[in-house]
Amino acid sequence: QVQLQESGPGLVRPSGTLSLTCAVSGDSISGSHWWSWVRQPPGKGLEWIGEVFHSGTANYNPSLKSRVTVSVDKSKNQFSLKLSSVTAADTAVYYCARDPRVGSTYFENWGQGTLVTVSS
Amino acid sequence: SYELTQPPSVSVSPGQTARITCSGDALPKQYAYWYQQKPGQAPLLVIYKDIQRPSGIPERFSGSSSGTTVTLTISGVQAEDEADFYCQSTDGTGAYPVVFGGGTKLTVL
Repeated sequence: QVQLQESGPGLVRPSGTLSLTCAVSGDSISGSHWWSWVRQPPGKGLEWIGEVFHSGTANYNPSLKSRVTVSVDKSKNQFSLKLSSVTAADTAVYYCARDPRVGSTYFENWGQGTLVTVSS
Repeated sequence: SYELTQPPSVSVSPGQTARITCSGDALPKQYAYWYQQKPGQAPLLVIYKDIQRPSGIPERFSGSSSGTTVTLTISGVQAEDEADFYCQSTDGTGAYPVVFGGGTKLTVL
């Protein structure tokens, strides 16, 4: 049973960089799955941020691409998110998720989510 | 940009059938996926590839597709089904690999 667990600071200053890590257990990050980040501002809908494959290949939401980096650390079986130049609009619950990529992208497993607040 | 359009809310009484629609220009050629999200919880995949149901999802959840609209149907709605539901798909060109609908709040009266 795969489990995903997000971790990182719950408070980030405006103009700073948001950094989160997703630890994967019960599955190898070097398998056939892709690994994604999805966020949800308080009271709002879901927004896909980006994804990474164990090779390091990554794809991003066009609206966030200039500020986002998603990377993988195979030695620790985890992947990470960096979002730069954050503003209050980046305040959200951030989820990591596993994508089996059977045909197209979708998310069969999710972490519990972590709230990140951007505030001074 | 590419958009998936869902009604903001749907209300049904227990035992009735709830239908939640999702519209998008690429849906005739791209699969749709549905997630259920209860307050304070992560989303849960309930339908994949338009009509497939993951193991552990009750049979009362079903999906269908017709043209530019996909539909999530919940037959014999139960109080525990009250949640937000999101559709997800892609524009198929690579420009917008993952897009979520705005979400539909299902209220069980």
